[in-house]
Order: sequence, then structure tokens, then C-alpha cells
Amino acid sequence: NAGVTQTPKFRILKIGQSMTLQCAQDMNHNYMYWYRQDPGMGLKLIYYSVGAGITDKGEVPNGYNVSRSTTEDFPLRLELAAPSQTSVYFCASASGGAADTQYFGPGTRLTVL
Amino acid sequence: DQQVKQNSPSLSVQEGRISILNCDYTNSMFDYFLWYKKYPAEGPTFLISISSIKDKNEDGRFTVFLNKSAKHLSLHIVPSQPGDSAVYFCAAAGDTGRRALTFGSGTRLQVQP
Repeated sequence: NAGVTQTPKFRILKIGQSMTLQCAQDMNHNYMYWYRQDPGMGLKLIYYSVGAGITDKGEVPNGYNVSRSTTEDFPLRLELAAPSQTSVYFCASASGGAADTQYFGPGTRLTVL
Repeated sequence: DQQVKQNSPSLSVQEGRISILNCDYTNSMFDYFLWYKKYPAEGPTFLISISSIKDKNEDGRFTVFLNKSAKHLSLHIVPSQPGDSAVYFCAAAGDTGRRALTFGSGTRLQVQP
């Protein structure tokens, strides 16, 4: 099992450009999440999904969009990149059970200049 | 407003000694607490968890203590090993609908050989 995979690992964007961060999991988990981690801070929830076709906003959704057309994939879209979106982005998945253990991908480091 | 706080950004201990990492929370709706460990350039990995109905959970060298009245939890690592050097995040869950986690800002542990 690959677990949770994320692509790309690194990316530099110019202000106003768009991109999609890819996330896939092979554990058949219903719950998937996108977090961002700014330097010296904890992870903040951007969007989450409780199953295919269902998504909802987290703490910091502005400037992002998501879709969940399959159980495996949960891409995160940045439409108009801004310097404030410079961060490390982590995707995670969970079975949704009471244990709440989340499995994280390796992260995507994004810089917006 | 941070609902989960880790007030010590860093901690240094000698190999073989005990490491104690602390975490405070403000939201009394949290009913499940987790510790994640993160190495550089990797995603967080689950370490240990505790339900609010318990006050202690042990797994090998790792023990988590929960004091609900004080809204405080701590992670004890005994004995500490150089491989334990990482950033440790405290996280809390309490929203039964989405199973999302609220993270603290992390404590960087350095275990000196």
C-alpha cells in the first residue's frame, strides 16, 4: 500500500497563477482532509470530505476549492495564487471511526512569488 | 483563538532521560486527543491517543496523561532516544460529524546523545 500520496512535492507559482495539488489514498478511507502548515504554526484545516461527492469548508477555505469525485482522490485547487498561500500543504485520510487517526501524505511545499 | 496550545516551542533532553511534552486546550467539547510526530520533509505520523474517559494511555516508551479538570495533557517518553528528535503535535477532536483535528503549534524535541 502506498498510503497517502501527494504531488507535486515542490512548486513555485507567480501571483495570480492557478494550480491543483493532487492527493490520492489507497486505503479505501471515506474521510479526507487538506491542511496547511505555516512556519512555527500547527496545521490548519482548509477543506474536508466525508465521502465521494461530499465536501465542506474547514477553518481557512478562502482562495481554495476542492472536489471529491472518487473515494481515492481529493484534489485541492488554487485559482488565483497569492503570497499568503505560501505554505506546506498536507493531505490526510481517515477511516472515520472513533479512533480519529489520520494518515498524512508527505506534503507539498508551495511558494507564491 | 488557539483552542489547542503547546506553549514550549522546543525542548532538549539527554538520551536515556524522560521527555515531557505539554499541551493545553480550551474547548470542553474535545473528547479525543492525539499526539503526532513529524520529521522534516515528511507528513505527521500518529503516535498515541487517549479518549476523554481515560486519564492515561501507555504504548511502549510513550505514555499520554490527560487531566480533564485542568484541560491539560502531556506526553512522556521514557527513555528518550536520539531517534525521537522530531516535532511533536498535540491534536484534539470533538466534532463527531467531520472527525477533523485541531492542532497545536508543535514542540521541537531534541534528544542529545
